[in-house]
Amino acid sequence: LAKTTQPISMDSYEGQEVNITCSHNNIATNDYITWYQQFPSQGPRFIIQGYKTKVTNEVASLFIPADRKSSTLSLPRVSLSDTAVYYCLVGDGYGGATNKLIFGTGTLLAVQP
Amino acid sequence: GAVVSQHPSRVICKSGTSVKIECRSLDFQATTMFWYRQFPKQSLMLMATSNEGSKATYEQGVEKDKFLINHASLTLSTLTVTSAHPEDSSFYICSAPQENTEAFFGQGTRLTVV
Repeated sequence: LAKTTQPISMDSYEGQEVNITCSHNNIATNDYITWYQQFPSQGPRFIIQGYKTKVTNEVASLFIPADRKSSTLSLPRVSLSDTAVYYCLVGDGYGGATNKLIFGTGTLLAVQP
Repeated sequence: GAVVSQHPSRVICKSGTSVKIECRSLDFQATTMFWYRQFPKQSLMLMATSNEGSKATYEQGVEKDKFLINHASLTLSTLTVTSAHPEDSSFYICSAPQENTEAFFGQGTRLTVV
């Protein structure tokens, strides 16, 4: 499983766009990139997944360059409730029944008023 | 979306006793479930893979005799922390993956051993 590197923490203010970058230099051809969000004392929650280029859903966008050695999670107009730890994971597909999800350090995003 | 439920959400037990944590997939069948442990301000650490109908697979460094895992049905996996000690105090989280969709996580169980 490819190792990921993320900033330990980031600060932002309400209403700003936040971009969290993750490095995964050893990503394999069949690996997908998945981001999870975790609030204190809760289990992680799926945010978004992508393989290449750009993916967008109702909560975030994921940008993946052509070499796929990094990815950027973009959160538009964050609010205080977006304060959480964000994990970038790399693995085969959704990390389904035959795959484990291995979590890296994550990025603690602190949104201030 | 699919729901994974853990019970209890928090438990306090005396040192030397055993504690059982349940993980249920509420609206889908899960032949495999994963158990994680998370210490304060740290990431999730995978402990073991729970396999329905067979023995669990433990990650390196995790004592299988201390953390007993039973996956008796397609919707239930249990983690029993045996002879708990204060250093076992942690946040335990289970997840249940589905084919071709994201893995779902339980809400976690806060274990405090006193």
